[in-house]
Amino acid sequence: GAGVSQSPSNKVTEKGKDVELRCDPISGHTALYWYRQSLGQGLEFLIYFQGNSAPDKSGLPSDRFSAERTGGSVSTLTIQRTQQEDSAVYLCASSLRLAGGAMTQYFGPGTRLLVL
Amino acid sequence: AQSVTQPDIHITVSEGASLELRCNYSYGATPYLFWYVQSPGQGLQLLLKYFSGDTLVQGIKGFEAEFKRSQSSFNLRKPSVHWSDAAEYFCAVGLEATSGTYKYIFGTGTRLKVLA
Repeated sequence: GAGVSQSPSNKVTEKGKDVELRCDPISGHTALYWYRQSLGQGLEFLIYFQGNSAPDKSGLPSDRFSAERTGGSVSTLTIQRTQQEDSAVYLCASSLRLAGGAMTQYFGPGTRLLVL
Repeated sequence: AQSVTQPDIHITVSEGASLELRCNYSYGATPYLFWYVQSPGQGLQLLLKYFSGDTLVQGIKGFEAEFKRSQSSFNLRKPSVHWSDAAEYFCAVGLEATSGTYKYIFGTGTRLKVLA
């Protein structure tokens, strides 16, 4: 696609429910990142997928959070038994690996999650 | 530990005035450096990046940034601010996490207000 897309754009859920957030990266981008942005805060790294390598899950805040990336493209971030502190904007970014160097990330518009 | 500091949480300038947003990083080597802008309800848009070479980098929307190794800084500047520049600005560094993979650390952002 033309850019990174995320769905839903907004999600309101009740405490204790599970939610799934979807990210469609730019076609051909091998790397995909999930971040969380809480009100007034910077971006908190959650998880990183690079090609067929094992994902870097070091940023996931608890075992209630998980993510998968199917076929090297679409990714789903799942939050189980949501808590009010999970309320935030969840941003997805994708990038194309440059030979021997870092990559420019392209961000989606985010999913705004509100846990009541 | 690696970190990115944006010391100014809020900045207010008059339209037409010059702007400088500060960014300092803590990292043992020269990182890859980025500035992103986030308008309300939007994802992050890349303004400019520094990977190597000329330390003065030109970006979109009339922005520029200068990498100063001695000061571990990458400050963003614009000679004349427009009302449409009101947004939140994030500085980020890209660090090699493991061989060939990169993680990104973001500052907490600077919110820019432009007075007419």
